[in-house]
Amino acid sequence: KQEVTQIPAALSVPEGENLVLNCSFTDSAIYNLQWFRQDPGKGLTSLLLIQSSQREQTSGRLNASLDKSSGRSTLYIAASQPGDSATYLCAVNTGTASKLTFGTGTRLQVTL
Amino acid sequence: DAGVIQSPRHEVTEMGQEVTLRCKPISGHNSLFWYRQTMMRGLELLIYFNNNVPIDDSGMPEDRFSAKMPNASFSTLKIQPSEPRDSAVYFCASSIKGRTEAFFGQGTRLTVV
Repeated sequence: KQEVTQIPAALSVPEGENLVLNCSFTDSAIYNLQWFRQDPGKGLTSLLLIQSSQREQTSGRLNASLDKSSGRSTLYIAASQPGDSATYLCAVNTGTASKLTFGTGTRLQVTL
Repeated sequence: DAGVIQSPRHEVTEMGQEVTLRCKPISGHNSLFWYRQTMMRGLELLIYFNNNVPIDDSGMPEDRFSAKMPNASFSTLKIQPSEPRDSAVYFCASSIKGRTEAFFGQGTRLTVV
């Protein structure tokens, strides 16, 4: 059974810092990995999708990497802003049906 | 496209009542998923459909839960009878079968008192 772990569970940083969120998974036979953002009381917004054949994806200040063999992914956020404050979830897809297994999330707070 | 649309956004009901949650997937998507989010267990997959057919319902907690997808543009998740431990946020998501992104609705926050 696939298990996804995210570290740290919570993180507080001052504005402007670069930061890294970690995601690990137990079964390396994945099709893709997706990073989401969730604001309090809101739904999930897809940030980045990395296919199993890719090593990284970038969108603006966000960069996600994937090391399938070691079962790890990282989400790098450059020059953090207060608007980045949210919970970040990673999810792995181990089948063709986009059936996602989610991590427990990292709650990020960026302070002024 | 309006994205995945769920209704209602909030539902408060008394224990023992029937609850029906609704979802309209993104047009053209042929996979639909129901997830439940709680503080204790995070996000869990309840059931998913491919081309309107239920493929895996192993995450459905009990027989009190049922889901249907009568056509490509509509799905329901029903709880009957509801219990306080069913209180959670229920998300619907859709995707194109294969290696593409899953898109989530805004969720339905269910409170059973």
